Amino acid sequence: DGGITQSPKYLFRKEGQNVTLSCEQNLNHDAMYWYRQDPGQGLRLIYYSQIVNDFQKGDIAEGYSVSREKKESFPLTVTSAQKNPTAFYLCASSIIFFTGNNEQFFGPGTRLTVL
Amino acid sequence: GQQVMQIPQYQHVQEGEDFTTYCNSSTTLSNIQWYKQRPGGHPVFLIQLVKSGEVKKQKRLTFQFGEAKKNSSLHITATQTTDVGTYFCAGAKYNFNKFYFGSGTKLNVKP
Repeated sequence: DGGITQSPKYLFRKEGQNVTLSCEQNLNHDAMYWYRQDPGQGLRLIYYSQIVNDFQKGDIAEGYSVSREKKESFPLTVTSAQKNPTAFYLCASSIIFFTGNNEQFFGPGTRLTVL
Repeated sequence: GQQVMQIPQYQHVQEGEDFTTYCNSSTTLSNIQWYKQRPGGHPVFLIQLVKSGEVKKQKRLTFQFGEAKKNSSLHITATQTTDVGTYFCAGAKYNFNKFYFGSGTKLNVKP
């Protein structure tokens, strides 16, 4: 099956610890994105990447870091600098970067809770 | 601040009633997409509108893009319990390579 996988589904961490969320896609998509979703709010863009070894900050990048060493993988690290990290994190991919003509395919998400 | 406004935030309807959600942008959009997120799930793409005044239909769902490309709507005729979920619009602006998601409209359908 082609698609996007995110693991784990639920993640608990202590305050002050960095944590890395995984995102893998086998759709051969060039572009990948990380969004954060909070209750009652829409999706807010954290980081995006249009090609391997390149990525750009989204609207709320502070306290997060990413890498894009492989086309299939776009891991997100939530650092201790992120003031309010508890949220639902969604990874997405699309065929080509934000041309405005391509749908985004979303992974199942990771619900991170920082205690 | 919020780039794309979406209303209403919640809508409760009786099964069989119609439902509409609206998105508005203060600036012209190059295109707009609509997604549905079921409770506990992830957003799933429904449709993309590109042309001014465009209207697209998917069975009971009708999507419109305004003439000025600043607003859009999703209308569901005769809702069913399977329509339950949160509907998001996502607008892309010219010269900006990213989409701005609305805050979503949560639809509840009572059988």
